[in-house]
Amino acid sequence: DTAVSQTPKYLVTQMGNDKSIKCEQNLGHDTMYWYKQDSKKFLKIMFSYNNKELIINETVPNRFSPKSPDKAHLNLHINSLELGDSAVYFCASSQGGDGIYGYTFGSGTRLTVV
Amino acid sequence: GQQVMQIPQYQHVQEGEDFTTYCNSSTTLSNIQWYKQRPGGHPVFLIQLVKSGEVKKQKRLTFQFGEAKKNSSLHITATQTTDVGTYFCAYSGAGSYQLTFGKGTKLSVIP
Repeated sequence: DTAVSQTPKYLVTQMGNDKSIKCEQNLGHDTMYWYKQDSKKFLKIMFSYNNKELIINETVPNRFSPKSPDKAHLNLHINSLELGDSAVYFCASSQGGDGIYGYTFGSGTRLTVV
Repeated sequence: GQQVMQIPQYQHVQEGEDFTTYCNSSTTLSNIQWYKQRPGGHPVFLIQLVKSGEVKKQKRLTFQFGEAKKNSSLHITATQTTDVGTYFCAYSGAGSYQLTFGKGTKLSVIP
């Protein structure tokens, strides 16, 4: 199936741990993104990346780092997890840098830090 | 900076009633997109509006972009229980790779 897939779907971990969330898209899109959705359902951009440029939202702590081994993958690595990092993280992709054809989202990773 | 307000935050309607959500910007938008997120699901792209005064329809859904390109609306005629979810507007700045989402309108439909 053509899609944006992210793993794991659920992640429960202790404070201070380091974790990664993987994202892959087979849509041939050239730009990928990470969004954080908090308990109030507010969707906030964290990163966008195409094969030329990484844009980091200035409010994202540097404990969060995107890693892109190739155009179809954009993984999210988080160091020293904190309670406030608990949220749903969505990966997305789009064709074209301005996303005029819409974003395709993955099904999300629910991260719970205890 | 650019600010987009989405209202209302919540809306409860009886099945069969109409529903409208609005996005209002303090500055002119180059385009606006609409997404639907079902409970427990992920945002799904519905449509993009680009032109001043543009109106687009998808079955019972009508999308409008204001003449000044500062506001947009999504109207659902005769809501059904399958319309339940959160509706988001989203926009990108000129030359930006990133969509900024409104805070969403959560729609509940009472059968």
